[in-house]
Amino acid sequence: ETGVTQSPTHLIKTRGQQVTLRCSSQSGHNTVSWYQQALGQGPQFIFQYYREEENGRGNFPPRFSGLQFPNYSSELNVNALELDDSALYLCASKSPDRNGHNEQFFGPGTRLTVL
Amino acid sequence: AQKVTQAQTEISVVEKEDVTLDCVYETRDTTYYLFWYKQPPSGELVFLIRRNSFDEQNEISGRYSWNFQKSTSSFNFTITASQVVDSAVYFCALSEAGGYQKVTFGTGTKLQVIP
Repeated sequence: ETGVTQSPTHLIKTRGQQVTLRCSSQSGHNTVSWYQQALGQGPQFIFQYYREEENGRGNFPPRFSGLQFPNYSSELNVNALELDDSALYLCASKSPDRNGHNEQFFGPGTRLTVL
Repeated sequence: AQKVTQAQTEISVVEKEDVTLDCVYETRDTTYYLFWYKQPPSGELVFLIRRNSFDEQNEISGRYSWNFQKSTSSFNFTITASQVVDSAVYFCALSEAGGYQKVTFGTGTKLQVIP
C-alpha cells in the first residue's frame, strides 16, 4: 500500500468526450505527477503539479490538463478524447526525503478505454 | 534528452533459476537517479530500488541484486532463485536530479516464472 488512491478504477468513454480522473495523495505530499501508460509500454510523463501549480510537462497536448487541491487530491482532465488516449493513467505523489530527492509513490491507476 | 532501453521484451524462466534483466540508459546529466519498479498484473507500480549516479556500489536485497556500471551506462537487475510471485513487468527508469525530476521509463521487461 502506497497511500495513493485513484478513482475510478476503470472508465469507458467515446471519442470526443471529456474525462476527469482523480487521485488522492498522502498527507504532506505536495507534489503530484501524472503518467500515461499505453498497453505494452512504459509510463510516459504527462505533467507535474507542485503546490497547486504545474511545474513540468511532458510531450502532451493542451487538452490534457490538471488541478491540484490543498487537501492533497488532484485531477487529470482530458478533453476531446481520441482513441489513442486509451491507456492506464497513473498518479504519483512525492514527499521530500532527507537527501532532497522526492520519493515517488504510485497509485493503482485508472484504466481508460475510448471507443 | 533522457532515454532508457530495456532490450528484453519478455523472459521466461523456470522457478529457482536466476534471471538478469538488462537496462541501458542515456543522459547528459552528471547527476541523476536510476530506479527499478515492478508492475504486477494489478497495475500498481511497486518501487524496488533507487540509485544515485555517484554511488556505483552494487546492492543486494534478499534475492534481488543490482549492478550499476556507469562506464557502460547500465543498471542491471538480477533475481536469484526466482519464484512464481516474481512474475510481473519490470521497469527501469531514470530521473534528473534537479528541476522537477521527471522520470523517464523504459518499455519494460515481462518476466514469467514457470513453476
